[in-house]
Amino acid sequence: QSALTQPPSASGSPGQSVTISCTGTSSDIGAHNYVSWYQQHPGKAPRLMIYEVTGRPSGVPDRFSGSKSGNTASLTVSGLQAEDEADYYCTSYAGNKNMVFGGGTKLTVL
Amino acid sequence: EVHLVESGGGVVQPGGSLRLSCAASGFAVSSNYMTWVRQAPGKGLEWVSLIYGSGVPTYADSMRGRFTISRDNSKNMLYLQMNSLRAEDTAIYYCATPGEHFPIWAFHYWGQGTLVTVSS
Repeated sequence: QSALTQPPSASGSPGQSVTISCTGTSSDIGAHNYVSWYQQHPGKAPRLMIYEVTGRPSGVPDRFSGSKSGNTASLTVSGLQAEDEADYYCTSYAGNKNMVFGGGTKLTVL
Repeated sequence: EVHLVESGGGVVQPGGSLRLSCAASGFAVSSNYMTWVRQAPGKGLEWVSLIYGSGVPTYADSMRGRFTISRDNSKNMLYLQMNSLRAEDTAIYYCATPGEHFPIWAFHYWGQGTLVTVSS
């Protein structure tokens, strides 16, 4: 199981939009719609932000949206706010009862 | 309200063993998918293992053969038995579950984590 590829960092000013990519293969992201995104603030447990590519749990602001094209999934944060500054991780089901995480992206709100 | 509390972490020597526990409340572990995810200090998240509602376990390749996931339905507990521990197993270990309203691979509920340190 190889980790999904995310950019190590991303940034944007308050009010702007930022998109974080997550690249996998035809065996994981390309083959399944079980793509999730997690937000993690320092010292805290992860929080589910997006599931099944585009689903958003209750309580997650609609500023967060997900998408997928081929082997790449994306998380877009619109109208950036200071509290959005955190680490973001993508995950995907990889078949054969396995899942894989991305390496994580540190989002900085300038 | 769903609540997960991990315990059992600590310092263990290389080659040693440790059993982590996760106490669940607000739902039944017997009918939910339960997973362990770890995070080495300053590093990213890594999936460790998952147990299906049917009781079937599955593991990440690097953990298979050394780690065993199990549950006690009567106590509503999840466990992770870790053997032949290595320095690279040092991490915070989280238990998590999708709960009843999310798909299997989307973990909505998380514990606070328990720290395992493998060191001589």
